[in-house]
Amino acid sequence: ETGVTQTPRHLVMGMTNKKSLKCEQHLGHNAMYWYKQSAKKPLELMFVYSLEERVENNSVPSRFSPECPNSSHLFLHLHTLQPEDSALYLCASSQGQLIAGETQYFGPGTRLLVL
Amino acid sequence: ELKVEQNPLFLSMQEGKNYTIYCNYSTTSDRLYWYRQDPGKSLESLFVLLSNGAVKQEGRLMASLDTKARLSTLHITAAVHDLSATYFCAVEGDSNYQLIWGAGTKLIIKP
Repeated sequence: ETGVTQTPRHLVMGMTNKKSLKCEQHLGHNAMYWYKQSAKKPLELMFVYSLEERVENNSVPSRFSPECPNSSHLFLHLHTLQPEDSALYLCASSQGQLIAGETQYFGPGTRLLVL
Repeated sequence: ELKVEQNPLFLSMQEGKNYTIYCNYSTTSDRLYWYRQDPGKSLESLFVLLSNGAVKQEGRLMASLDTKARLSTLHITAAVHDLSATYFCAVEGDSNYQLIWGAGTKLIIKP
């Protein structure tokens, strides 16, 4: 595997389910990100981890819970979601801080549908 | 509030034509990013513009940055069908790891 991978690619869940999204980066990067992409809206940054420590948490509802066990893996745990949470969830990684002009590398995304 | 506005949001054009996508932003950022997203696929980095007056070109795409005007342009020369995609610009946000994204410009190039 190369780059940034995400599983599953598609997920349908009920509002009472618990599921997890997985992201893995094979680039040796230090920072990993979760984004939400909804139709006709700008990308929304959800969480950022740098060297396995959470450095950003942008007012995301507690029904989304991130986990970063090591610098290569990132999870997003989902529970009691709402239909408006249906979206494409993108994982990304970067070598360092974006303020330094670093490029982010994105995974293919998980298309989530909450019924 | 930090804003990034792209114009137009949708563009349909014929192959062989030239066109420009505009990205206006409200911050004082010196850095701007352009990404491309094909339907059903992820985002791919196109250009990173790191200073005022920066110009980068790859193939039929050329991006420029005017930090005084808070404006970046993505110019498409002699468009081909393969360039059909959604193009996003983004600038630095309030923190070291945050970008503020535009809503994207969906570009359709007809053969």
